[in-house]
Amino acid sequence: GAVVSQHPSRVICKSGTSVKIECRSLDFQATTMFWYRQFPKQSLMLMATSNEGSKATYEQGVEKDKFLINHASLTLSTLTVTSAHPEDSSFYICSATGPGGEKLFFGSGTQLSVL
Amino acid sequence: SQQGEEDPQALSIQEGENATMNCSYKTSINNLQWYRQNSGRGLVHLILIRSNEREKHSGRLRVTLDTSKKSSSLLITASRAADTASYFCATDKRGSTLGRLYFGRGTQLTVWP
Repeated sequence: GAVVSQHPSRVICKSGTSVKIECRSLDFQATTMFWYRQFPKQSLMLMATSNEGSKATYEQGVEKDKFLINHASLTLSTLTVTSAHPEDSSFYICSATGPGGEKLFFGSGTQLSVL
Repeated sequence: SQQGEEDPQALSIQEGENATMNCSYKTSINNLQWYRQNSGRGLVHLILIRSNEREKHSGRLRVTLDTSKKSSSLLITASRAADTASYFCATDKRGSTLGRLYFGRGTQLTVWP
């Protein structure tokens, strides 16, 4: 099956620093990837849709200057949390549409803790 | 809020029993999917049911869809301790980007050995 790799799995950083999270489709090309944020025992909240070669589409209420998304190739999308603050601490998950486009394949998530 | 809502929020059963989780959604959909998440991990796709289907089976999983009530149910039969996880329903929106899904809050299933 389609595999999506997400790194790092866990990151701890100081307030004010920027953190980059990578999401790679390993055995298929993903023209579209999605970034979600999840709080403990909560649902996944869609943050943005990342399209290869074009600007990401952000959901309402998500600051695009805060959460920079780059989808430079058909197998890699990155999410950069800029000037991170403690309230940005969360579990971030990426996903990609597999061949056929309906099912999502998820990365294993990144737990971000901002001190 | 984004589309789906599951109930119950938490379900605790013994191995061998059946587990039923329900999901309601708000808008017209092309399909509804169920995913499973182990604690602190990504989600794994379980099953997809299209809007013109009423029931679908996959192994010990049975999914129903009632578009008139905008609801779905996931039944796990003969549950095992390894089924312990959070289960989410996810819906698309008709006319939306392919793969753009909205997730419910999930049901935390605990299966006791």
